[in-house]
Amino acid sequence: AQKITQTQPGMFVQEKEAVTLDCTYDTSDQSYGLFWYKQPSSGEMIFLIYQGSYDEQNATEGRYSLNFQKARKSANLVISASQLGDSAMYFCVEEYGNKLVFGAGTILRVKS
Amino acid sequence: DAGITQSPRHKVTETGTPVTLRCHQTENHRYMYWYRQDPGHGLRLIHYSYGVKDTDKGEVSDGYSVSRSKTEDFLLTLESATSSQTSVYFCAISSTREAVYEQYFGPGTRLTVT
Repeated sequence: AQKITQTQPGMFVQEKEAVTLDCTYDTSDQSYGLFWYKQPSSGEMIFLIYQGSYDEQNATEGRYSLNFQKARKSANLVISASQLGDSAMYFCVEEYGNKLVFGAGTILRVKS
Repeated sequence: DAGITQSPRHKVTETGTPVTLRCHQTENHRYMYWYRQDPGHGLRLIHYSYGVKDTDKGEVSDGYSVSRSKTEDFLLTLESATSSQTSVYFCAISSTREAVYEQYFGPGTRLTVT
């Protein structure tokens, strides 16, 4: 069964610095996708970035990049130039067969 | 927001009563999903649908049933609510855009079972 592990329950980062949120996944599938979602305190789920298992280049979306290391089964999220508005819960997610499996999440707090 | 609405947004009910949550989408997406979110667990899949009258179970389906009689509506029913079903429920749809698979989530329904 698919399993997502986020080992950092909480993280602090100074405003304008970069931060890496860790994620490892456990799957035997050859075709899968990896996502990161952001959930601010208001509760909505915001899609950030997607990486397909066959994509050779790391995905990037603005200040977000996904450091995909397939052999190590890791999909870390890198946020560059952190902003106060980045304070939120972040979920690493695996997609397989049109279904999603979520990690437990990492709470990120950005300090001014 | 992919045109997803959920109703009600908040509900308090008593143990043993039936509860139905509604998810409505306006963009004709084939796949729809119900998740629950509890502290320390992220979101967990309850049931999903891949078309009208086509549904399947997810990871935590016990105590829940679903129905989809129209493309735009996906209903989640708790036949006899229990306190362990107190949670935030999210509906989602999936789509593929420019070879990128995405799931979009509704705003959530906070259900409290007393």
